[in-house]
Amino acid sequence: QKEVEQNSGPLSVPEGAIASLNCTYSDRVSQSFFWYRQYSGKSPELIMSIYSNGDKEDGRFTAQLNKASQYVSLLIRDSQPSDSATYLCAVNTGGYQKVTFGTGTKLQVIP
Amino acid sequence: DGGITQSPKYLFRKEGQNVTLSCEQNLNHDAMYWYRQDPGQGLRLIYYSQIVNDFQKGDIAEGYSVSREKKESFPLTVTSAQKNPTAFYLCASTPTGQVSNYGYTFGSGTRLTVV
Repeated sequence: QKEVEQNSGPLSVPEGAIASLNCTYSDRVSQSFFWYRQYSGKSPELIMSIYSNGDKEDGRFTAQLNKASQYVSLLIRDSQPSDSATYLCAVNTGGYQKVTFGTGTKLQVIP
Repeated sequence: DGGITQSPKYLFRKEGQNVTLSCEQNLNHDAMYWYRQDPGQGLRLIYYSQIVNDFQKGDIAEGYSVSREKKESFPLTVTSAQKNPTAFYLCASTPTGQVSNYGYTFGSGTRLTVV
């Protein structure tokens, strides 16, 4: 089992819809969770971090964490074509110095 | 503006050749990291450094070497011992070595191709 798993997609949503991106992780002692956005050919950019169970909102983005289910998600409201990118989930695993990345989910927002 | 500068953007390596990728940051961050990204795979940690003159191997350090002589600089050398070096290389930094408390700031990356 991979430490951090994401569906590779592509996930296609119409413009204005809610995009839901999911990530599961295997290390129960993980404490820190991050979402990065990566445009094609570019480097990742941090968009959200979450450390506690529940929801964290920042503009159109909401991160959701459920440690009991070992599940973290990212919701993008009012999706725009400019949101089309690959979204990487990253989880602090195996001690505080180690961060493991998922392989990413490709999101396509259709105008 | 503060940030991380990686150079060159594109690099071509001949078989048996060592090449060095540059990473410079002006964020005053203590910790710096090198990751490798391959299609269909997550980012994999090559080396990291929490403080000047100290660095640690990551998950895939074989065939790579680093130095940390200055806080601002963390160059990566891809040696001839690295048999499959073609990849997108990303340098990153965090304010301190407590990576669980911060997300990474990434440079723009270097795309290395073996010719």
